[in-house]
Amino acid sequence: DIQMTQSPSTLSASVGDRVTITCRASQSINSWLAWYQQKPGKAPKFLIYKASSLESGVPSRFSGSGSGTEFTLTITSLQPDDFATYYCQQYKSYPWTFGQGTKVESK
Amino acid sequence: EVQLVESGGGLVQPGGSLRLSCAASGFTFSSYEMNWVRQAPGKGLEWVSYISGTAYTIHYADSVKGRFTISRDNAKNSLYLQMNSLRAEDTAVYYCARTRAMVPFDSWGQGTLVTVSS
Repeated sequence: DIQMTQSPSTLSASVGDRVTITCRASQSINSWLAWYQQKPGKAPKFLIYKASSLESGVPSRFSGSGSGTEFTLTITSLQPDDFATYYCQQYKSYPWTFGQGTKVESK
Repeated sequence: EVQLVESGGGLVQPGGSLRLSCAASGFTFSSYEMNWVRQAPGKGLEWVSYISGTAYTIHYADSVKGRFTISRDNAKNSLYLQMNSLRAEDTAVYYCARTRAMVPFDSWGQGTLVTVSS
């Protein structure tokens, strides 16, 4: 199975900050990586696919990059609505696997 | 608008069974692959099972293989998860999620809670 590791597990930031979350795969997944945002008590929301393609309707302050085994999710100017937990997920091969999540909290 | 609505969750004893349903609307259900994803209380996301549009291709996580069965009824726009031999570690919110081209989970239901406890 492909293991996904996110860092950091928790990130403290302020509105307006640039935020970067890293996701590493245990083997190459090319660009078969997605990112999700989840708020407490809610279903995850899909943000990015194929490592860097932004889903329609997702604000442009979100961006993704990387390929192979190392990926990043960047929020260029953190907004109040962005405080949430973020998950990466590989879909190169089954079983599809998620990272453990990164909680973005208010500093 | 895409809508996915799960139902069927509840409290069940260890070793028991439960059948989850997911009612889909707002899209041509038979044209899309579907999945179940779960989240234990306070934990991360875990993919559980996948089914293709025609149900020809099915995949399971090792943690549920041999105990859970995914199925679909395209005439009823519905996805199902039959869960047998339930264990405490199966306690989670279960989400159904749609797959589209190059996107694993583009739409999610609100989830249904399954609690396995005596």
